[in-house]
Amino acid sequence: EIVLTQSPGTLSLSPGERATLSCRASQSVGSTWLAWYQQKVAQAPRLLLYGASNRAAGIPDRFSGSGSGTDFTLTISRLEPEDFAVYYCQQYGNSPPTFGGGTKVEIE
Amino acid sequence: EVQLLESGGGLVQPGGSLRLSCVASGITFSSYTMTWIRQAPGKGLEWVSALRGGDDGTEYLDSVKGRFTISRDNSKNTLYLQMNSLRADDSAVYYCVTVTGNYWGGPFNNWGQGTMVTVSS
Repeated sequence: EIVLTQSPGTLSLSPGERATLSCRASQSVGSTWLAWYQQKVAQAPRLLLYGASNRAAGIPDRFSGSGSGTDFTLTISRLEPEDFAVYYCQQYGNSPPTFGGGTKVEIE
Repeated sequence: EVQLLESGGGLVQPGGSLRLSCVASGITFSSYTMTWIRQAPGKGLEWVSALRGGDDGTEYLDSVKGRFTISRDNSKNTLYLQMNSLRADDSAVYYCVTVTGNYWGGPFNNWGQGTMVTVSS
């Protein structure tokens, strides 16, 4: 199975700052089979991006994604208070679908 | 608006069984690929099983094969997960999730609120 490694484990930033989250795959997942999710405390995850860079419905444009092959990035251009959460990447091109271990974005 | 409402979680002894249910609304249920994804307390997400819309083909995580069975009743807009021979490491919140796109592996676009399963003596 494809192992996804997210870094850093925790990102401490202030509102208004830029957040850059990394997701590295143990083998290529292509350019279209990578998604990002946001999970707030005591809530279910929410789909943010799919196909590495396509925003899901209702997701603000401060969230953007890039990458292909084995290296992917989620960027939040200017952090809003509601963006402090845990973020997971997920590959869905190979069986089984797998998730990264998550990056927690916390208020500094 | 899509709504997914899980139920059936609880405390069960090792080796026991539970059946989870998920009632869907706001979608044409029979045509959707549906999945179960779990999250152990304080841990990350783990895909468990999928039931493909259309052909009703099934997929399972290796560690649950032979123990878990996913099924659906389209007349009731309900997804099930029959879990047998439960182990402590099956303890988690189980989410019912819809799949968007053409492949059963994701992405996962609508999530229920989850139901907690605790396997303990």
